[in-house]
Amino acid sequence: QVQLQQSGPGLVKPSQTLSLTCAIFGDSVSSHNVAWNWVRQSPSRGLEWLARANYRSKWFFDYAVSVKGRISIIPDPSKNQVSLQLNSVTPDDTAVYYCVRGLGSSGGDFWGQGTLVTVSS
Amino acid sequence: DIQMTQSPSSLSASVGDRVTITCRASQTISNFLNWYQQKPGKAPNLLIYGASSLQSGVPSRFSGSGSGTDFTLTISSLQPEDFATYYCQQSVDSPRVTFGPGTKVEIK
Repeated sequence: QVQLQQSGPGLVKPSQTLSLTCAIFGDSVSSHNVAWNWVRQSPSRGLEWLARANYRSKWFFDYAVSVKGRISIIPDPSKNQVSLQLNSVTPDDTAVYYCVRGLGSSGGDFWGQGTLVTVSS
Repeated sequence: DIQMTQSPSSLSASVGDRVTITCRASQTISNFLNWYQQKPGKAPNLLIYGASSLQSGVPSRFSGSGSGTDFTLTISSLQPEDFATYYCQQSVDSPRVTFGPGTKVEIK
């Protein structure tokens, strides 16, 4: 059984960097052609896909246009985890953030527990 | 981006009722449609993938149908644990997946 365990601060100041980590149990971040995603949920935006990392002989990264330029998804095979960094945050980035396996034709079959991140001074 | 809409946005139903939720895509997505259930304070849980395939461990009272732009999630006999919010998600444009706004199923 796959489990995704998220960690990271729940409060970030405006203009600073949001950093979250998702530890993976029961699978490998380097599994061939398995997608590891970050999704957020807020009342104003609903469920919003943000970023994907996918290993297919080399790493491939994809980002949502809405956050491109200030977001990074970072796999760490040595710790079997995947991290999210979102720079220059504003109150509009306040949301519950989830790491998710899949989201393709077989759906998002495993989700982290979610982390509420509030952007406020 | 492919826009997803759902109807109704909320509904009230009784235990034992048959419930149908509709999802529509802004362009054809074949059968690249997934359904999730979300309870308050919890992450979404995958119910249906590929428009009609039941995820392992999901009760058989849940079913999905549709293709192209119009899709349906049906709960054949609503149970107390089914009161939740349901979301559809297109995956044809993966990784740029998009979700519907949700349908909240409440107790009548």
